[in-house]
Amino acid sequence: ELKVEQNPLFLSMQEGKNYTIYCNYSTTSDRLYWYRQDPGKSLESLFVLLSNGAVKQEGRLMASLDTKARLSTLHITAAVHDLSATYFCAVGSGTGNQFYFGTGTSLTVIP
Amino acid sequence: KAGVTQTPRYLIKTRGQQVTLSCSPISGHRSVSWYQQTPGQGLQFLFEYFSETQRNKGNFPGRFSGRQFSNSRSEMNVSTLELGDSALYLCASSSGVVGLEAFFGQGTRLTVV
Repeated sequence: ELKVEQNPLFLSMQEGKNYTIYCNYSTTSDRLYWYRQDPGKSLESLFVLLSNGAVKQEGRLMASLDTKARLSTLHITAAVHDLSATYFCAVGSGTGNQFYFGTGTSLTVIP
Repeated sequence: KAGVTQTPRYLIKTRGQQVTLSCSPISGHRSVSWYQQTPGQGLQFLFEYFSETQRNKGNFPGRFSGRQFSNSRSEMNVSTLELGDSALYLCASSSGVVGLEAFFGQGTRLTVV
């Protein structure tokens, strides 16, 4: 079964700082998704990465995919409090839309 | 356009009972996937339905079943509930084309007592 590991599990960072969340997965896939979840809420789609070398940016978040290394990163630039949430990566597998999720990274941005 | 609608939002059931959860996908979407989210196991894939057929299935016991109707609405059923079934159940709606993003509903919080 495909395994997805995220690190760190918990991240506390000061406003204005930069940081990267890592997502490693165990078997070949070229479909990688990033989601955000606020407490008590559902999952909000952030990025869809579908090829090796794909890079997408939205505001202070940038995601990239290296399918050869089986690694995706979510880079946070100049963090603000509104970015506090749990971030999940998910790897697509199989012939349909079956996602394997990482453990999630709980991000807290401190003023 | 309307998002993914899950009903009910909250449910309390007793061990041994059965429960049915409902998911209405985004209009035009033909794929509905179900996930279980718990603090211990995280987000785990249950199954995916596409055009009324189960396309993928996760590693859950047979007590968990689902179906999809011709209007793409999907139901998930859990029989003989166990305490460990307490979780947030999320459904995801997508067009069905592999690779495109999936949109999640608000979830159904099931508590088994």
